[in-house]
Amino acid sequence: EDKVVQSPLSLVVHEGDTVTLNCSYEVTNFRSLLWYKQEKKAPTFLFMLTSSGIEKKSGRLSSILDKKELFSILNITATQTGDSAIYLCAPARREYGNKLVFGAGTILRVKS
Amino acid sequence: NAGVTQTPKFQVLKTGQSMTLQCAQDMNHNSMYWYRQDPGMGLRLIYYSASEGTTDKGEVPNGYNVSRLNKREFSLRLESAAPSQTSVYFCASSVDSSNQPQHFGDGTRLSIL
Repeated sequence: EDKVVQSPLSLVVHEGDTVTLNCSYEVTNFRSLLWYKQEKKAPTFLFMLTSSGIEKKSGRLSSILDKKELFSILNITATQTGDSAIYLCAPARREYGNKLVFGAGTILRVKS
Repeated sequence: NAGVTQTPKFQVLKTGQSMTLQCAQDMNHNSMYWYRQDPGMGLRLIYYSASEGTTDKGEVPNGYNVSRLNKREFSLRLESAAPSQTSVYFCASSVDSSNQPQHFGDGTRLSIL
């Protein structure tokens, strides 16, 4: 059975702090791993990681995948209150339908 | 740009009532998905449509039916609502069923009494 575990479940930081969010997975026929940010409504796409060891960056956010150890991390530097959200990790399976297996998410709250 | 549009945004039903949730995308995507999101459980796939004319079960299909009306629209129907179906429902679409990110609508919050 597929398993995706995100940690921590929640955390509270102050503006300017750096945070690291973790995602470990056991997924049949793994193809790639996606990160989403969910504020009040729709999850919005952040990154898709396919290859091990290659960091993807977008502004203050970065992410990397380790396919040998079956985990990914999402880093956010110089956090802002607008980073407050649920961060979802979702491995994709290499099979018909492009199905994603979502973790429960990490709730991040950034205090000013 | 509208992206993925879901209607309604909120709905309250009584046990046993039926309901159809609507989803439409304007990105010319081939694949569409329905998820439910419950506290502490992440998003779980109910049904998906890899391309127009096809639909398949996901992880939690019991109690639901779907219709891929055309390339743009994918509806989710609850024939006889149960309290266990109280949830937030998300529709998503992707370019196709290869290695492409899915893009989500704003969700429908459904309560069943």
